[in-house]
Amino acid sequence: DAGVIQSPRHEVTEMGQEVTLRCKLISGHNSLFWYRQTMMRGLELLIYFNNNVPIDDSGMPEDRFSAKMPNASFSTLKIQPSEPRDSAVYFCASSLVGGGLSLDTQYFGPGTRLTVL
Amino acid sequence: AQSVTQLGSHVSVSEGALVLLRCNYSSSVPPYLFWYVQYPNQGLQLLLKYTSAATLVKGINGFEAEFKKSETSFHLTKPSAHMSDAAEYFCAVRGQAGTALIFGKGTTLSVSS
Repeated sequence: DAGVIQSPRHEVTEMGQEVTLRCKLISGHNSLFWYRQTMMRGLELLIYFNNNVPIDDSGMPEDRFSAKMPNASFSTLKIQPSEPRDSAVYFCASSLVGGGLSLDTQYFGPGTRLTVL
Repeated sequence: AQSVTQLGSHVSVSEGALVLLRCNYSSSVPPYLFWYVQYPNQGLQLLLKYTSAATLVKGINGFEAEFKKSETSFHLTKPSAHMSDAAEYFCAVRGQAGTALIFGKGTTLSVSS
């Protein structure tokens, strides 16, 4: 069974450009989490969804960031316009809430390394 | 509110030595606790999790962790380190089902021959 899929794996862009990161959940999972990893702040939650509904977006830095789930198995994280301080590794994770023995373990994708010049 | 503190950003051991990575948590609700491992340029892989079923939790790759409520700790151990254990380890806490993980800052484990 395929794990969480993220694309692209690496993205280099210039300040001011729009960046879109993509995530495909594990089949059957119903929760989706976006995390960001930086040297300074470590791993921090940006936003998460349960059953396609955003539950907590308090970690989204500012209005430049937006996340969507156009369907139950796919999510996008968009940054517009991008800034150098957005450079980080962005992870998405999926889980199955209400799955009994799985106890909603979060499974992480390989991450997208974003560099904004 | 919940938080996790990992004591020691870097731990170095010799191959075959005991591995001990420390994690203390703070939680206003019964916690679920996790250890994840991250190898260079990869995502996070679950090592083990505490879900209140047993205080001593066994995970993959020979790791285990013991939940001690009185000490608010969930330290990760492995009796004998292997070179392949070199990675970054994260302790995380979560409250109710479906909520996000709160991560510690991570501990980098180095293993020398």
